Order: sequence, then structure tokens, then C-alpha cells
Amino acid sequence: QSALTQPASVSGSPGQSITISCTGTSSDVGSLNFVSWFQQYPGKAPKLIIYEVSKRPSGVSNRFSGSKSGNTASLTISGLQAEDEADYSCCSYAGTNTWWMFGGGTKLTVL
Amino acid sequence: QVQLVQSGAEVKRPGASVKVSCKASGYTFTSAYAMHWVRQAPGQRLEWMGWINTGNGNTKFSQRFQGRVTFTRDTSANTAYMELSSLRSEDTAVYYCARYSGTYASFDYWGQGTLVTVSS
Repeated sequence: QSALTQPASVSGSPGQSITISCTGTSSDVGSLNFVSWFQQYPGKAPKLIIYEVSKRPSGVSNRFSGSKSGNTASLTISGLQAEDEADYSCCSYAGTNTWWMFGGGTKLTVL
Repeated sequence: QVQLVQSGAEVKRPGASVKVSCKASGYTFTSAYAMHWVRQAPGQRLEWMGWINTGNGNTKFSQRFQGRVTFTRDTSANTAYMELSSLRSEDTAVYYCARYSGTYASFDYWGQGTLVTVSS
């Protein structure tokens, strides 16, 4: 069972923008628009921040945005704030054999 | 408001079984939602385990856990359960229940997590 690939870490200064990539295959990220992103603080449960590639649930800041190109989805956080420092994981539906896959998570450090 | 409250931490011996509960409130438990189970070993990625249709009880599993995991639900108690058997040290992880929403095509609410430690 393959998995989604994310960079282990990214960093940025307050006010800057960062982008986190999530690379899958044509069987998951590339073929379906069921890509989600989750924010997770240490010791806490994940929180949904992006669904269906680029949509934001109610209450999530518009500083978070998502996109997809081919087999790679991306999460962009603009106007970085200290509170954005967390782990970010992507997730994709992969059909009725594999069902759901997660990325390895990316630790965001706000410098 | 929607809440998923899980049972407390467990310590188990290798070969034993563990049963984790997830009590839902704030929505109709048997309506068009499913309960998924996701685990996260220390320092590792989230790993999808499977799901249960809380309306009719149908279940689906990740192939990695086929034969070792059982999902059940008690509709009178608005509670979902995950039982994992033949535990080994690699099963040490935080186990989460997560509500699947068709509106979001994703997991919109999560339990607080249950730490299961497998150690001799």
C-alpha cells in the first residue's frame, strides 16, 4: 500500500507564505478531488482545514488555501502567524480497495 | 455541538485485545454519517483503519488490519467501538474515531484520541 509524500518540515517567518506539497499517484490524488488537509497540534486530534482539494470548512481562516496539479496537491498558508505552527497532513480517497490514505505529515515552524 | 468522546488510555500485553469506545453527541448517530477509525503511532503518520456505517452496521477495513479489527456500534448509546486483537508492540499508538461527512467528503469531527500501549 503506497502512501502520500509530504516534506518532513517547512518554515517561514511571520507574515510570509508557505506551501506544503502532497504527492500521490494517478490512482488517488491525481484521479479524484477528495483531497483534504488537517492541522494537528502536539497531543491533539487533527482538525479539518481543507476539503475537496480547495474548499474551507466554516470557521477556517481564508489564509489557508488548497490546490492540485496532476498527482500533487498543495496547501498554502499566507500571512503566517505563530499559531500556525503545527503539523499538517494531507489525506486522499483512493478508491474502494485502499479507501483512505494519509501523508506523512509536515511540521511547520514559524521562525 | 458535535462531540466524540473516547474511552481512556489502555495498557495491554502482546497477544491481548483492546476495545476502544467513541461516544457521539450533538447529531443523529444513525443518520448519513459514518464513523472511521484512524491511528497514529508515535512520530508516525496517520493511518486509516476502516469504518462502520452507523446506520446499518456495515463495515470496511484496511487490508492491513483485516482479520484483526472489529467495528461495532450501539445505537441506543450513540457509541461506536473498535476492537483490535492479537496486539503487538507495533500497535502502540493513539487511536482516533472520526466522523465522516458527505458534505465535506472528509472527516469533520474527531475524538480526542485513546492511547493504547502494548508492552510486556
